[in-house]
This record gives sequence, structure tokens and C-alpha cells, in this order.
Amino acid sequence: GAVVSQHPSWVICKSGTSVKIECRSLDFQATTMFWYRQFPKQSLMLMATSNEGSKATYEQGVEKDKFLINHASLTLSTLTVTSAHPEDSSFYICSATVGQGPATNEKLFFGSGTQLSVL
Amino acid sequence: SQQGEEDPQALSIQEGENATMNCSYKTSINNLQWYRQNSGRGLVHLILIRSNEREKHSGRLRVTLDTSKKSSSLLITASRAADTASYFCATDARMDSSYKLIFGSGTRLLVRP
Repeated sequence: GAVVSQHPSWVICKSGTSVKIECRSLDFQATTMFWYRQFPKQSLMLMATSNEGSKATYEQGVEKDKFLINHASLTLSTLTVTSAHPEDSSFYICSATVGQGPATNEKLFFGSGTQLSVL
Repeated sequence: SQQGEEDPQALSIQEGENATMNCSYKTSINNLQWYRQNSGRGLVHLILIRSNEREKHSGRLRVTLDTSKKSSSLLITASRAADTASYFCATDARMDSSYKLIFGSGTRLLVRP
């Protein structure tokens, strides 16, 4: 159980276009989803925390108008990279937790990631 | 930043040897977790150790936690080529009742057959 599906796996786009990445929890309801960004051979940097039905909480330095996050249902969160530029090229990974209490929001289940290349 | 540091950054060992990775963090925690990432893929949860625990085992994995030193170690015994991956520690952060995980810098492990 606890499978997180992320699509697409790869996307190549022209500079100036917008790209949407989907993250779905397939067999559980994800009250909280997290979006991370990872550069080659580096760690995961948390971009934002999204809670179903409310606005996402962005980490310091992350442009909320650049990276639009929508968590409209308990099984789907989307990240849209607006007006993408080459510096936005990166590996984006979503993850989800189960439950709402402090005892349950512990282990993260990760999607397989999306490699974005902006030309 | 709360992000932890891991050492070594890279580790190359022969199959059958043990691999030890260390993680240090900066603030108080409720738990510390270790994750594994194969190249170009998402992360897989390996083990969670709570702040009141000192050692935990799971198969060939052994994790220790020293909250006084704000450090943890992950030991993989009898390594296999399939253990080749990057390993990250992650600590929980609770701010304004929200919950999030902050990842360390990672250790890239290469197990030579």
C-alpha cells in the first residue's frame, strides 16, 4: 500500500512555457503533500507543503507565483512551473503522508520524480 | 538551515563489506529517518528511529541515534551490489503545527561486485 504516482517522468519544454506535474496517492488519502526539488548529486530541497483544500505553504526563497501548487483533493496535488526557464531545469519529487495527527505524519511516501529540462 | 550534513559524501566498498554513513543535524527532533534513492528515482523509506531510542535494526540495517551529539549512523552489513544508491537522513520539523521533513546532504554508496 501507500503508493504515490507522479507524472510525467520526463518533460522537455521550450523556455517560456508552463509545465504541470501531477502527484497522486493511489491507495490512501494524502492530507499533506510535499514538493521537493533536487539538483544532480545534491540533496532534496523542500519547496512547499500543500494541504488539501488550503493554500500551500512555501519555503523561504521559493516563488509562489512561479511554482503554483494546487491540492484540490485528498489524492491529487499538482505543481505548475510557470514560464519555465533553463534555470528551472531540475528533478522535482512529490511525497505524501497519511493521516493528520502527529503520530501519523511521520513516514513519507515518494513519487518517482519528474526530470524537467527547459531548453 | 536545519538541513543536516552527512559523511562521507561518497563511499566505495567491495561487496560483502559493511558500509557506515553518518548524519548530523542542528535542532531538536522527534524522530530521524533514513531513506534510499536509486539514481533518477524517488526515495524509499528505510527506517525510523525516535528521539528516545538509541538503536534500531531492520534486516541488514542498523541505525543508531545520539541526541546529545545530534548525530545518527546507518550501518549496512554484508553489502550487495544492489545496495548501490544514495542514502539520506531526514529529521522532522514542526512549525506552527505543520509537519515536514528536512533532508541531509546524502551519501552516495557504490558497492563493487
